[in-house]
Amino acid sequence: DAKTTQPNSMESNEEEPVHLPCNHSTISGTDYIHWYRQLPSQGPEYVIHGLTSNVNNRMASLAIAEDRKSSTLILHRATLRDAAVYYCILRARVGNSGYALNFGKGTSLLVTP
Amino acid sequence: DAGVTQSPTHLIKTRGQQVTLRCSPKSGHDTVSWYQQALGQGPQFIFQYYEEEERQRGNFPDRFSGHQFPNYSSELNVNALLLGDSALYLCASSLTSGGRFTDTQYFGPGTRLTVL
Repeated sequence: DAKTTQPNSMESNEEEPVHLPCNHSTISGTDYIHWYRQLPSQGPEYVIHGLTSNVNNRMASLAIAEDRKSSTLILHRATLRDAAVYYCILRARVGNSGYALNFGKGTSLLVTP
Repeated sequence: DAGVTQSPTHLIKTRGQQVTLRCSPKSGHDTVSWYQQALGQGPQFIFQYYEEEERQRGNFPDRFSGHQFPNYSSELNVNALLLGDSALYLCASSLTSGGRFTDTQYFGPGTRLTVL
């Protein structure tokens, strides 16, 4: 399975944009890029996903490099509630029609007032 | 609309014992996946259940087994507990509709298992 590489930790000031990078140089053409985050003492929470084009939703934006070997999760205005571990995941196929998520260690985001 | 629920919240067992963890998926979901998260690590895929069958499993020994019921709820069983089985066990539900798996998995809060 293709792997992802993320920085162990990042720090941001409140109300400033945050760019969380992810490298996935061995990504295949059919791998979707998923981002989940895990707040303290909670299960992971879906953030966003994409294949080739940049994606936006109410939580964040996902910028995907043209060669798809890297991507960046963008939080437009960080709040204290965004402090969490952010996981960049390449979805793995399970059986004929299922998928599992291969989590790495993720990036621990610290947001300071 | 209830999300994914798991029970119990916490559990303490001793080595060699057996444990059963339970999960109720989000309303309308038919697929349940189980993950193990050791302290300081990301979750690791154990197995996934759909239509009451194990669809696929990750790199976990046969001591880990599961079941899915007709109402889509699921159990994770671990036999002959080892100290290394101490972890947060997460259940995630999703929808396999018309044979096409939808992308988002919804996670429960997890069960914290401590093996002494």
